Amino acid sequence: EPEVTQTPSHQVTQMGQEVILRCVPISNHLYFYWYRQILGQKVEFLVSFYNNEISEKSEIFDDQFSVERPDGSNFTLKIRSTKLEDSAMYFCASRILRPGGKHYGYTFGSGTRLTVV
Amino acid sequence: SQELEQSPQSLIVQEGKNLTINCTSSKTLYGLYWYKQKYGEGLIFLMMLQKGGEEKSHEKITAKLDEKKQQSSLHITASQPSHAGIYLCGADGSDNFGNEKLTFGTGTRLTIIP
Repeated sequence: EPEVTQTPSHQVTQMGQEVILRCVPISNHLYFYWYRQILGQKVEFLVSFYNNEISEKSEIFDDQFSVERPDGSNFTLKIRSTKLEDSAMYFCASRILRPGGKHYGYTFGSGTRLTVV
Repeated sequence: SQELEQSPQSLIVQEGKNLTINCTSSKTLYGLYWYKQKYGEGLIFLMMLQKGGEEKSHEKITAKLDEKKQQSSLHITASQPSHAGIYLCGADGSDNFGNEKLTFGTGTRLTIIP
């Protein structure tokens, strides 16, 4: 079964530092996403990415956040200057468009737990 | 924007008993996903429903989407300790075959007691 792979599984960083969270989506998937979940809260949408550009972003995804697909396989989320409130589990997801235009379900990675101290 | 409400928020069930979790949407559900999560861990995909009246089963878990596509239920038969966790519903907000994000419910925490 193909998987979405996220690294690292845990990251601890000091406030104000930059972090890059990495994801390898499933190879034939076309749409890529980042979600986050603050412990004990809902899973929240951050950003979607298609055809090498951002399709949609939420209010959470401010100028401190950026995404990139640098080499056709990796999909990264960068937080430029981390804040305490960025501590959360970050999930990457990808999905494929089935032949005939019927979209298919999501595949989520197992997440990166980010702790900002 | 779409809102998903799950009920109950938490559930304590004796092992062997049946249970049902509900997910209600403020708008039509075009794709409804059920996930299971251990506290603080990743999302485990359970099932996806798209058509009104659709029902899917896997082992002892059955998920249904109502005819009006605004409510889904997840039913577990003869619950076991392995069923314990947080159950999340997630929904596509449209059927435009495009780049849809998922909106998630608040989750239902299931505890199984011996």
